[in-house]
Formats: sequence, C-alpha cells, structure tokens
Amino acid sequence: AQKVTQAQTEISVVEKEDVTLDCVYETRDTTYYLFWYKQPPSGELVFLIRRNSFDEQNEISGRYSWNFQKSTSSFNFTITASQVVDSAVYFCALSEGGSSNTGKLIFGQGTTLQVKP
Amino acid sequence: GAVVSQHPSWVICKSGTSVKIECRSLDFQATTMFWYRQFPKQSLMLMATSNEGSKATYEQGVEKDKFLINHASLTLSTLTVTSAHPEDSSFYICSATGPIQSYTFGSGTRLTVV
Repeated sequence: AQKVTQAQTEISVVEKEDVTLDCVYETRDTTYYLFWYKQPPSGELVFLIRRNSFDEQNEISGRYSWNFQKSTSSFNFTITASQVVDSAVYFCALSEGGSSNTGKLIFGQGTTLQVKP
Repeated sequence: GAVVSQHPSWVICKSGTSVKIECRSLDFQATTMFWYRQFPKQSLMLMATSNEGSKATYEQGVEKDKFLINHASLTLSTLTVTSAHPEDSSFYICSATGPIQSYTFGSGTRLTVV
C-alpha cells in the first residue's frame, strides 16, 4: 500500500538557520509522483514542487532545495537561511497509480515548522 | 496558472442543517475532483473522488448519504454536508485535475457546526 511518512511532527529553528524536512514514502508503482505543499495558518495549500520517479536530479529553487533518493525512498526538503515567513505546516504527498493528475494524493502527517526571529 | 475557486471560505451552521460547498475551476476543465477533510493539527484525508458526469467514489468510512458530491459539469463540483453535526466541524478542501493540469487546490472551507 502507498504510504508517506513525515517523522518530524514539529521543528523549531531560529531565523537564518537551515532546516531539512524529511519525507519517506512506500509504493509498489514503478512510476509515481511526489509533491511538497506548504500550508500557512490561513489554510490554503501552496504547491512547492512535483517530481516524477524517473527524475532523480536534485532541484533548487531560491532558498528551497529537494533531495530525491529512490534507493532510500526519500524526498527531503531543505530550506536554507530560514525566515519567519517560512513558518507553516509542510506536507509531502505521493500520487497513486503512476499518474500526475488522475490518482489520489496520499499525504504525510505534515511537519509544523516554526521559525523564530 | 490553473485556479480553483472554493466558496464559502468559512461557514457556521446549526446542528441538523445542510451546508453546500462549491469548487469551480476557473480556467481549465476539471475532469476529476478530489474532496479532502482536515481536522485540526492533522493531515488531509481523502473523502471522495469524482469524475465529471459520474457518481463519486467514496473512501472507506465516509458516508456517501451524508456527504453528497455532485460533479455535473467540467467546471463545478459541490460537496453538501447533510444534517451536519458538531463532529463534522472541519476544514474541507477540494483539488481539481484536468487533462494536463495537475492537482490544483481550492482555498478551503472551514465548517463549524454549533
């Protein structure tokens, strides 16, 4: 069965520190998609990244970077030089069935990140 | 980019009444709509999946007669919580996908049943 595990429930850092949010997934699909979303206190889900299982290149977008390792079934997310505005709940998700838009998304439990000034 | 408009953003209703939540895809055809529920400090749990023109498929444990989903057009899906009770108080959020569009989430609806 598909499963996403975010073992870190809450993380607290001081501004400008780097922080890594862990995500481990389980799937039997050979083709699958992984996602990261940010959920600020207002509740909406902000899309951060989508990665398919055939693309193991790490990605960097500004202060954000992602490390995808199929060998360990992990898709970790790092924020460099964290800022107070990064405070939110972050979700890792896996799409079922090998599709990027038809299978249901399986969400991890979420990691609450608090960045203190 | 793809946008899904969800209304209302929050609603308070009396126990026993029904509440309708709408999700509209503004610039693409939403062939599939997913409805999620999120309790405080918890993750998003899928309630049901609907394809345009078809009956929704409900996840195990979700009462289909209580949570009515309609997806009659390619731009509109509705979730009606019938005979709402305080335990139905939650954050409900939709997600639409299209022929080429990946998951686009609405802004969510916070339901409080008093």
